[in-house]
Amino acid sequence: EIVLTQSPATLSLSPGERASLSCRASQSVSNYLAWYQQKPGQAPRLLIYDASNRATGIPARFSGSGSGTDFTLTISSLEPEDFAVYYCQQRSHWPPLTFGGGTKVEIK
Amino acid sequence: QVQLVESGGGVVQPGRSLRLSCAASGITFSTYGMHWVRQAPGKGLEWVAFISYDGSNKYFADSVKGRFTISRDNSKNTLFLQMNSLRAEDTALYYCAKDYGSSSWYRGDFDYWGQGTLVTVSS
Repeated sequence: EIVLTQSPATLSLSPGERASLSCRASQSVSNYLAWYQQKPGQAPRLLIYDASNRATGIPARFSGSGSGTDFTLTISSLEPEDFAVYYCQQRSHWPPLTFGGGTKVEIK
Repeated sequence: QVQLVESGGGVVQPGRSLRLSCAASGITFSTYGMHWVRQAPGKGLEWVAFISYDGSNKYFADSVKGRFTISRDNSKNTLFLQMNSLRAEDTALYYCAKDYGSSSWYRGDFDYWGQGTLVTVSS
């Protein structure tokens, strides 16, 4: 099973700042990595698929990069609605599909 | 627009069974693989099970293998999760999610999610 480790667990930033979230895989997942955003009381929403492709309707301030074992989700300038929990997920070797433990982006 | 609506959750005693449903609309349901993903209270996401568009392929997490089954009724645009021998650690919000692939190929990521149905296993 591929283990995904997200860091940091919590990121405290102000609106307008840049956020960089990390996801590290226990073995190579090529570019088969997705990122999701989850707000309190809501279902997750797909942001990025295949490491760097924005899903439909996702603003350009969200970008993904990386391949192999190291990935980054970047939010170029935080908007108030971006404060949420973010999860990475791999589909390279499944079953099982696996998620990282999440990074909470909170208002500083 | 795409809608996935889960139902069937509730409070159940350990060892008992429960059947969840997910009604889909706004998509050609019969052409997409579907998943169940769960989230324990205050915790992260855990993939549970997958079924291919035609029901011919099914995969499960080790934590539920042998206890849970997944099925679908394409004539009714509905996905099911039969949960047997429930344990306290199965307590979670259960989401159905559409696979981002289509037709005869599936990807393993999720582009649409329902709002979830809560399952609580407690005596």
